[in-house]
Amino acid sequence: SAVISQKPSRDICQRGTSLTIQCQVDSQVTMMFWYRQQPGQSLTLIATANQGSEATYESGFVIDKFPISRPNLTFSTLTVSNMSPEDSSIYLCSGSGTGGGTDTQYFGPGTRLTVL
Amino acid sequence: AQKVTQAQTEISVVEKEDVTLDCVYETRDTTYYLFWYKQPPSGELVFLIRRNSFDEQNEISGRYSWNFQKSTSSFNFTITASQVVDSAVYFCALSVRRAGSYQLTFGKGTKLSVIP
Repeated sequence: SAVISQKPSRDICQRGTSLTIQCQVDSQVTMMFWYRQQPGQSLTLIATANQGSEATYESGFVIDKFPISRPNLTFSTLTVSNMSPEDSSIYLCSGSGTGGGTDTQYFGPGTRLTVL
Repeated sequence: AQKVTQAQTEISVVEKEDVTLDCVYETRDTTYYLFWYKQPPSGELVFLIRRNSFDEQNEISGRYSWNFQKSTSSFNFTITASQVVDSAVYFCALSVRRAGSYQLTFGKGTKLSVIP
């Protein structure tokens, strides 16, 4: 399994600003993903973070709003840009492909974002 | 398209009672993986179990057991002798291979409250 950390753990931001969330894995993983969990809801995949290339976004999510970087196999960032109160959510990153099977995703502790 | 249904939105049980969380899935893929994750109030998503579509053996781990039945497309989760620490939201998820990676589809989750 992989141990995944995220920074910050929570933040309160003003409308119109941007926040960058960092995700660090303790070992190399093949795949990294970013999810959004709106209050009281399930998880929705935002994008797959690809090492050294542009992320692959799911329907309804665009690069201008959620730019993602993945410079190496253990680190990724998600930026939430030009925030509005509707962006208030928990943002989780996950990693898979640690040797225990490429299909099991292990999750970070999440970043709780509140936008005022 | 993949779909996971957790019909039970919230369940309350008294400590030491047994409780079963239901999960029904839909997919046309013949190879897929099923998962259960636990999300305690702190927010992190904890991996509990993975099953592949070719392995219908039931599994027991301590007080936890899982019943996988392909005939009914169900993957139910039972907690025996529940404890207060089991209080959390439990997510069932389905994973199929798409574009070189395994993508998770989550159910809406079942919130379990164990009352002392």
